[in-house]
Amino acid sequence: RKEVEQDPGPFNVPEGATVAFNCTYSNSASQSFFWYRQDCRKEPKLLMSVYSSGNEDGRFTAQLNRASQYISLLIRDSKLSDSATYLCVVLNQAGTALIFGKGTTLSVSS
Amino acid sequence: EAGVVQSPRYKIIEKKQPVAFWCNPISGHNTLYWYRQNLGQGPELLIRYENEEAVDDSQLPKDRFSAERLKGVDSTLKIQPAELGDSAVYLCASSSQRNTEAFFGQGTRLTVV
Repeated sequence: RKEVEQDPGPFNVPEGATVAFNCTYSNSASQSFFWYRQDCRKEPKLLMSVYSSGNEDGRFTAQLNRASQYISLLIRDSKLSDSATYLCVVLNQAGTALIFGKGTTLSVSS
Repeated sequence: EAGVVQSPRYKIIEKKQPVAFWCNPISGHNTLYWYRQNLGQGPELLIRYENEEAVDDSQLPKDRFSAERLKGVDSTLKIQPAELGDSAVYLCASSSQRNTEAFFGQGTRLTVV
């Protein structure tokens, strides 16, 4: 089992749609959790950290369920500019390395 | 403030040739990572430095890969000899502390022919 697994995607949605990405991680002792965004042929950039209490940043909401070892990202009112690959990232138990999922590709069309 | 700088951006070499990548992290960042990203995959950690010390190189193929971070600032990653399967994007990242946000460079896209 991979350490971080994500929905296979791709997700193709119209503008204005709400889309949710799911992610599971295998090590229950993992410390921290993040969503990174990666545009085509660009480097990954931090989108948001994920906290146990859940957190929201504008149209983006991230949630963490430690009991189920599950992370989610919800994007409301999708924009064309949201088209990218979204990477689920877990900081390993030792706090020494960021472990990336394969990523889920989102394509928003007009 | 300058971000993480990597060079070259692109490199095409023949198999069995050596290649080296260079990374200049964000000023003041003690932690430096080298990741490899294959097409359609997420980045995979090769090695992590805390200052000049390599503290996690368990995923580095040591038979052909080597890295160094002299003086705890710039870093180089070398492959010798390169194989066809080494074609990938090599990403360097840095962070100010171990558990904080990692900032990535634009990467070096290596093609081995």
